[in-house]
Amino acid sequence: NAGVTQTPKFRILKIGQSMTLQCTQDMNHNYMYWYRQDPGMGLKLIYYSVGAGITDKGEVPNGYNVSRSTTEDFPLRLELAAPSQTSVYFCASRIKGSTEAFFGQGTRLTVV
Amino acid sequence: GESVGLHLPTLSVQEGDNSIINCAYSNSASDYFIWYKQESGKGPQFIIDIRSNMDKRQGQRVTVLLNKTVKHLSLQIAATQPGDSAVYFCAENNAGNMLTFGGGTRLMVKP
Repeated sequence: NAGVTQTPKFRILKIGQSMTLQCTQDMNHNYMYWYRQDPGMGLKLIYYSVGAGITDKGEVPNGYNVSRSTTEDFPLRLELAAPSQTSVYFCASRIKGSTEAFFGQGTRLTVV
Repeated sequence: GESVGLHLPTLSVQEGDNSIINCAYSNSASDYFIWYKQESGKGPQFIIDIRSNMDKRQGQRVTVLLNKTVKHLSLQIAATQPGDSAVYFCAENNAGNMLTFGGGTRLMVKP
């Protein structure tokens, strides 16, 4: 069981570039989440999904897009990278009926 | 990783003492309140949760208290150990299964 796997671990983007942060889980969890954590701060919810084909906006969705075509994968897309998107991005998943979310190791993104 | 908790309030305790970490929440409609621990360079890890219709729940060395009147949540850690040093976050689960995190506290344990 790998749990929640995020790729890449690190990435530097230039302003205006786009990229997809990958997240996959092998626990057959219904719910998946994307958070960003700015240096020294808490976690802000970007988008979440309660199942394949269903996605909802979180607290800070602007500048991001997601899709959930399978139970396992929940990629996060940045279309036009901006310096304000410099952050550590965490993907998490949990099973329906449980409050225990399992987090990936994070993707550290720098936009220059 | 190394910058986690830099701008968050810090609680410094002596090894062996009890720690109390507090959190204020805003959404009265949340059905569960949860505590997570984040060590440097890692994602948060689940510690304990409490349902909104409960006042207290105990785990191994940890106790969570919920005061709905003043919208306050606390985490008590008994006999704090160096391995407890981390940033602690409270979180809320609402009826739509939106899991949001509140403010964190950095716990430093002095040997």
